Amino acid sequence: AQSVTQPDIHITVSEGASLELRCNYSYGATPYLFWYVQSPGQGLQLLLKYFSGDTLVQGIKGFEAEFKRSQSSFNLRKPSVHWSDAAEYFCAVGADGAGNMLTFGGGTRLMVKP
Amino acid sequence: GAGVSQTPSNKVTEKGKYVELRCDPISGHTALYWYRQSLGQGPEFLIYFQGTGAADDSGLPNDRFFAVRPEGSVSTLKIQRTERGDSAVYLCASSMTSGETQYFGPGTRLLVL
Repeated sequence: AQSVTQPDIHITVSEGASLELRCNYSYGATPYLFWYVQSPGQGLQLLLKYFSGDTLVQGIKGFEAEFKRSQSSFNLRKPSVHWSDAAEYFCAVGADGAGNMLTFGGGTRLMVKP
Repeated sequence: GAGVSQTPSNKVTEKGKYVELRCDPISGHTALYWYRQSLGQGPEFLIYFQGTGAADDSGLPNDRFFAVRPEGSVSTLKIQRTERGDSAVYLCASSMTSGETQYFGPGTRLLVL
C-alpha cells in the first residue's frame, strides 16, 4: 500500500535561512506527488505538484521540490524563508495513480525565528 | 471567486447522535472529495465523487459513514451513531474534474462528547 513519511515533525529556522522539508513515499508505480501548506484557520493550499517530466518542480511562494526516484523522495525547498511561511506542510501522493485519492504524510510544522 | 465552503464550521454532538456535514464546491467543479484530519495527523481520504456518483468510497471507515451528492454540486457527509473517535476536522475539496488540482475548504470541526 502507498504511504508517505515526513520524518521531521517540527522544524525551526531563522528568517532568511534556507529550508528543506523531507518527504519519502512508498508507491509501486510513477507517483503523483504534491506539497500542501496549512495555515491556522485556513484550508490546505497547493504549493506544487509533480506528475511527470522535469524532476525539479517550481511552485508558488518561491518553493520548489525535487523528485528523486532512486531515493523515493520529494523534498521541498526554499532558499530564503519569510516569517509568513510559518505553517504546517504536508506531502501527499495520489494513491490511485492519478490526483484523486491523496495519501498524506503526518506533516511538518515549520516555525520561523525572527 | 468563492472557494469551497463548509458548514457548519464547528459541530458539537453527543455520542450516538446523527450528524450531517455540508460542502459547497467551487462553481463548475465536477469532482468533490472528503477527507478526515485527526489531531496532529495528515488528512485521510474518505470518498470522492465525479458528478453525482461516488467514484471511490474505499476510505469510509465503516457503514456509519455515508455521503451523497444528488445534483452533482453540494455534498453531504452523514455520520450515524457518532462515536468519540469520530471527533476530527472533516475537510472537503473540489476540482475541475477528477485528477485535477484539489482546492480545499476550511473544514468542519466535529466534537463528539
